[in-house]
Amino acid sequence: DGGITQSPKYLFRKEGQNVTLSCEQNLNHDAMYWYRQDPGQGLRLIYYSQIVNDFQKGDIAEGYSVSREKKESFPLTVTSAQKNPTAFYLCASSIQQGVSYEQYFGPGTRLTVT
Amino acid sequence: EDKVVQSPLSLVVHEGDTVTLNCSYEVTNFRSLLWYKQEKKAPTFLFMLTSSGIEKKSGRLSSILDKKELFSILNITATQTGDSAVYLCAVKYSGNTGKLIFGQGTTLQVKP
Repeated sequence: DGGITQSPKYLFRKEGQNVTLSCEQNLNHDAMYWYRQDPGQGLRLIYYSQIVNDFQKGDIAEGYSVSREKKESFPLTVTSAQKNPTAFYLCASSIQQGVSYEQYFGPGTRLTVT
Repeated sequence: EDKVVQSPLSLVVHEGDTVTLNCSYEVTNFRSLLWYKQEKKAPTFLFMLTSSGIEKKSGRLSSILDKKELFSILNITATQTGDSAVYLCAVKYSGNTGKLIFGQGTTLQVKP
């Protein structure tokens, strides 16, 4: 089945540890995105990538890093520099960047840092 | 500052009711407006609107965009318990990057 997978579904970490969230898509989409969702707030863009080996910061990139070595994969690392890492993280992809293409979302990873 | 505001933030109705969800926006370089439904995990795509006054329809759901007054509405007729979800409005802006800015979401609960 085509789609976007994120793993794990739930993740628990101690403060001070880096953690990497996985996002894989087999839709042959060029563009991929990472969002963060907090209770009572909409999704906020962390990073996005329009093509392999290229990515740009979104609105809240501080404390996060990404890589895009393969078209189908866009992992997100939450570093110890991120002050409030506990959140629901959603990965999305679209055929191409641009006006006419909607984004499809993965099932999300809920990260809890204590 | 670019922003998207949804109202109401939450809504409780009974099966069979009709609901209207609102989304207003202030963004530079508006490109399109999207509606998503989020039940527990992944938001699922409902509509993309780019032109004013043209209604998009899918079953009991419909949506329309007013680019002069900078808002969109999502209508759900004859609501069912399966319509219970968070409805997210998002706007594509700033050129051709595909970036979205989201509203806070409207939580809809449909009671039997």
